Amino acid sequence: AQKVTQAQTEISVVEKEDVTLDCVYETRDTTYYLFWYKQPPSGELVFLIRRNSFDEQNEISGRYSWNFQKSTSSFNFTITASQVVDSAVYFCALSEAERGGYQKVTFGTGTKLQVIP
Amino acid sequence: DGGITQSPKYLFRKEGQNVTLSCEQNLNHDAMYWYRQDPGQGLRLIYYSQIVNDFQKGDIAEGYSVSREKKESFPLTVTSAQKNPTAFYLCASQQESETSGANVLTFGAGSRLTVL
Repeated sequence: AQKVTQAQTEISVVEKEDVTLDCVYETRDTTYYLFWYKQPPSGELVFLIRRNSFDEQNEISGRYSWNFQKSTSSFNFTITASQVVDSAVYFCALSEAERGGYQKVTFGTGTKLQVIP
Repeated sequence: DGGITQSPKYLFRKEGQNVTLSCEQNLNHDAMYWYRQDPGQGLRLIYYSQIVNDFQKGDIAEGYSVSREKKESFPLTVTSAQKNPTAFYLCASQQESETSGANVLTFGAGSRLTVL
C-alpha cells in the first residue's frame, strides 16, 4: 500500500524567510511519480511539479526547489525568500499505475503555510 | 479558457436530503475524479471514471453516487445515507497518456457542502 506523510500540519514564517515542507512516502513499486500541489484560499489545487522515480535530480523553478531522495523516500519542497502570496496549503502526492490504466493517487494530509508580512 | 467548473460553490442541506454537485470540464479529458477534503485528512477518493458510462468506487464511496453520461460531465450525488456529508468536495480530470501514473490532475475550485 502506498502512503504519503506530511508531518508538518502548519508552518508560519515571516516574509523573506526560507521554508522547507517535508514529504515522506511509502511504496512497493519501482515505478512511481511524485507531485506537489498548491491549494490557495480559493480552493482549487494547482499543480507545481512532477517527478518520476528514476529521476533524482533536484529541480529549481524561481524561488521554488525540490529535493528528491530515494534513499530516504523523501520529496521535500523549499520556498526561498517566502512571500505572502505563498500562503496556502501544500499537498504532496504519490501516483502509481494500477491495472486497467487507472492511476491511483495518494495525497498527504497537507501542510498549511502562513507567510506573515 | 479550458478548465473545470464546479457548482454550486456553497451548498446547505438539511439532514435526509439528497444533493447533487455539478462538475463540468472542457479539457477533453478522459478521466474524472471526485475527492472529499476534510481538515487534517487530505484528499480522499470517492469515485472515478475513465470513460463515458463507466465509473468505479474509490476509497470512501458509501453514501455517494455518480453518473458519467457525457465526457464533459461527472455529477456527484450526496445521498441521505452519507453519515457525515459536511466537507469540501473537489472534482478533477486527467488526460490519459501512454505513461500510466504520470498524469497531472486538473482540479475545479470545489464545492463546500454544509449539513444543517
